[in-house]
Amino acid sequence: GENVEQHPSTLSVQEGDSAVIKCTYSDSASNYFPWYKQELGKRPQLIIDIRSNVGEKKDQRIAVTLNKTAKHFSLHITETQPEDSAVYFCAASIGYGQNFVFGPGTRLSVLP
Amino acid sequence: NAGVTQTPKFQVLKTGQSMTLQCAQDMNHEYMSWYRQDPGMGLRLIHYSVGAGITDQGEVPNGYNVSRSTTEDFPLRLLSAAPSQTSVYFCASSRRGGPNEKLFFGSGTQLSVL
Repeated sequence: GENVEQHPSTLSVQEGDSAVIKCTYSDSASNYFPWYKQELGKRPQLIIDIRSNVGEKKDQRIAVTLNKTAKHFSLHITETQPEDSAVYFCAASIGYGQNFVFGPGTRLSVLP
Repeated sequence: NAGVTQTPKFQVLKTGQSMTLQCAQDMNHEYMSWYRQDPGMGLRLIHYSVGAGITDQGEVPNGYNVSRSTTEDFPLRLLSAAPSQTSVYFCASSRRGGPNEKLFFGSGTQLSVL
């Protein structure tokens, strides 16, 4: 079955710097890759996603890149702000429709 | 729209007790699912449903039962609670369009089994 690895597990950056989180997946049939942000005690919320026929997608300070050949995708956050501090999860679609395997998460801390 | 509503928010059980975690959505979503979240392990799929009367197992189904009698509700039953089921449980729903339909999560249920 699908396996999703995520690195690093924790990441600390200075406010204004960039942050990069990387994920790899094992099943070449996966074709949709969402990223979720989870603040402490809250529910996961979708922040950006990418389909397998697209190499890069950007939404303001957030971008995601996908390398299908290498089976890895990355989240890039530029000009980080304290409110970006949270746990970020990558995920890969499996089987039918809306089922996913999630990575273990990255705890991002943005230091003022 | 309330979105996805989960109850209770917190629950403490003793080993061997049974209980039902409730999940309801008011967005007329066909797809609903249950995930559990454990530290350092992300979210793992327990059971899912693609419509009323249809359920299937996910990655970690043992010890849990589900049913889907209506489009709106998707309860998760713990038959005989075990300490290994201590976790945060999230219900989620989406339209049954394709793999890139947005998944909406409930606010979670924190369950402790003593």
